[in-house]
Amino acid sequence: EAEVAQSPRYKITEKSQAVAFWCDPISGHATLYWYRQILGQGPELLVQFQDESVVDDSQLPKDRFSAERLKGVDSTLKIQPAELGDSAMYLCASSLVGLRRGANVLTFGAGSRLTVL
Amino acid sequence: DAKTTQPNSMESNEEEPVHLPCNHSTISGTDYIHWYRQLPSQGPEYVIHGLTSNVNNRMASLAIAEDRKSSTLILHRATLRDAAVYYCILRRGADGLTFGKGTHLIIQP
Repeated sequence: EAEVAQSPRYKITEKSQAVAFWCDPISGHATLYWYRQILGQGPELLVQFQDESVVDDSQLPKDRFSAERLKGVDSTLKIQPAELGDSAMYLCASSLVGLRRGANVLTFGAGSRLTVL
Repeated sequence: DAKTTQPNSMESNEEEPVHLPCNHSTISGTDYIHWYRQLPSQGPEYVIHGLTSNVNNRMASLAIAEDRKSSTLILHRATLRDAAVYYCILRRGADGLTFGKGTHLIIQP
């Protein structure tokens, strides 16, 4: 069964350092999402790509977070500088784009757990 | 996006059916009802979705009220591996899913 690949699985960093997460979506999935999940809460959408274009980044803290999907395939989410409050699980998901858009299903990766010390 | 309301937690016994309720009184005609679940330390996993009619798949069944203002996810025979947070989400377009707090399902052996 096809999977969304994410790395690293775990990352520990000190505040003010830079950190990056990588995501490889399921082949053929044009839509890619990055979510952040703080412990005990539901995932929160950070950014959505359609191919290489950003569709929605309204919840992305743009002073320190950036995301790119240069060739419309894999994607990188960067945080610089990291802050203590950034400790969370960072999840990547992908989906096909079908005619019945509300019916599209998202496939999530296992996530990248970030701890900022 | 229309909002959903779920109980914070539910408890059930292993090998018994589980009915997880979801209220969505402000649902619009084009909103699909999606269910995802998240096992500990894993990403969310798709369970089932529907629009108006009841749906069945290998994981679960989805019963949708006639007025579509509520729905119920049915796990026919719960196992310990079904212990997870279950999210009921309405989806209209291709935007990202908006997760609430979900229902924490506890399965007792």
